[in-house]
Amino acid sequence: DIQMTQSPSSLSASVGDRVTITCRASQGISNSLAWYQQKPGKAPKLLLYTASRLESGVPSRFSGSGSGTDYTLTVSSLQPEDFATYYCQQYYGPARTFGQGTKVEIK
Amino acid sequence: EVQLVESGGGLVQPGGSLRLSCAASGFTFSSHAMSWVRQTPGKGLEWVSAISGSGGSTYHADSVKGRFTISRDNSMNTLYLQMNSLRAEDTAVYYCGKDRGSSSSWYDYWGQGTLVTVSS
Repeated sequence: DIQMTQSPSSLSASVGDRVTITCRASQGISNSLAWYQQKPGKAPKLLLYTASRLESGVPSRFSGSGSGTDYTLTVSSLQPEDFATYYCQQYYGPARTFGQGTKVEIK
Repeated sequence: EVQLVESGGGLVQPGGSLRLSCAASGFTFSSHAMSWVRQTPGKGLEWVSAISGSGGSTYHADSVKGRFTISRDNSMNTLYLQMNSLRAEDTAVYYCGKDRGSSSSWYDYWGQGTLVTVSS
């Protein structure tokens, strides 16, 4: 199975900061990567798919990039509602896998 | 409006069985693959099982292979997860997720989750 290594596991940031989260796959996944945001007690919410395509209704301050095995989620200017946990997920094969998550906390 | 509503969770003893259901509405159910994803309290997301839109192809994580079975009834717009030989480490919130397409893709909708607790 494809393993996803996400980093950092947590970070502290202030409103207005630029934040970057990375995800590395154990093999090439041809941009078959999605990013989700999860708040406590809630189901995950889709942010981006195919590595860089923004889901409808998601603010444009969220962006994704990458190729091959290495992918990045960037929040250009962190807003109060963005403090949450973020997960990457590969869907290159039928056995999907998630990264371990990155908790974004208020500094 | 797409809705996914899980049910069937609860407290079960180790070695026991449970069947989860996910009732879907608001989309053409048979046109989309579906999955179960679980989350241990305070921990990350773990993909459990997936099934194609037709139901002809199923996939399970190694951690549940041979114990869990995913299935679907497209006439009832319902997804199932039969869980047998349950272990303490299966304790988690179980979410159903809707794939964007008919085969492996990203999840554009999730249910609210149902809690499964395996304990004596």
